Amino acid sequence: EIVLTQSPGTLSLSPGERATLSCRASQSLRSDDLAWYQQKPGQAPRLLIYGRGTRGTGIPDRFSGSGSGTDFTLTITRLDPEDSAVYYCQQYGSSVLTFGGGTKVEI
Amino acid sequence: EMHLVQSGAEVKKPGESLKISCQVSAYIFTNCWVGWVRQLPGKGLEWMGFIYPADSDTRYGPSFQGQVTISADKSVSTAYLQWRSLQASDTGMYYCALITVGGTRAFDYWGRGTLVTVSS
Repeated sequence: EIVLTQSPGTLSLSPGERATLSCRASQSLRSDDLAWYQQKPGQAPRLLIYGRGTRGTGIPDRFSGSGSGTDFTLTITRLDPEDSAVYYCQQYGSSVLTFGGGTKVEI
Repeated sequence: EMHLVQSGAEVKKPGESLKISCQVSAYIFTNCWVGWVRQLPGKGLEWMGFIYPADSDTRYGPSFQGQVTISADKSVSTAYLQWRSLQASDTGMYYCALITVGGTRAFDYWGRGTLVTVSS
């Protein structure tokens, strides 16, 4: 089973700043095999990024994903208070899908 | 427009059985994977398994194999998650989610979740 470790646990930033979230895999993944989700309190997760940086439906270009091998990054530019949420990475490079533990972003 | 409608919240006692549902738009149901994701109170997301309704191909996460049953009924475009004997540790939110994009296993549509509470 591939373990995903997200850091930092919590990120506190101001509106307009850039957020950089990390997701490290215990085994190498193809760049295609990672997704990022946003979950706001009381809501279901929402797909942000999948594959080689493809954004989900309606996701603004302030959100971008990069990385390969074992290190992946979600970048959020021009932070807005609406971006306050927990962000999860998920890998699908193996037959057992796994999620990271999440990074909480506070704006 | 995609629709995923999950069944309502449940309160059960330990040892009871339960089957929750996720009704999906008919036009997509046999062209996607329907997954179930657990979220324990205050915790992260865990993949439980998924099913391909077109041929009932079903996969389970190792922690959930033998603990739950995932099924689907094409006639009503509905997927199910079933427990034979609930435990207090099953208390949590259960999301159904779809994989509609070929070549990925990213969940691009999510239901609102079904809250399951198991308490004596």
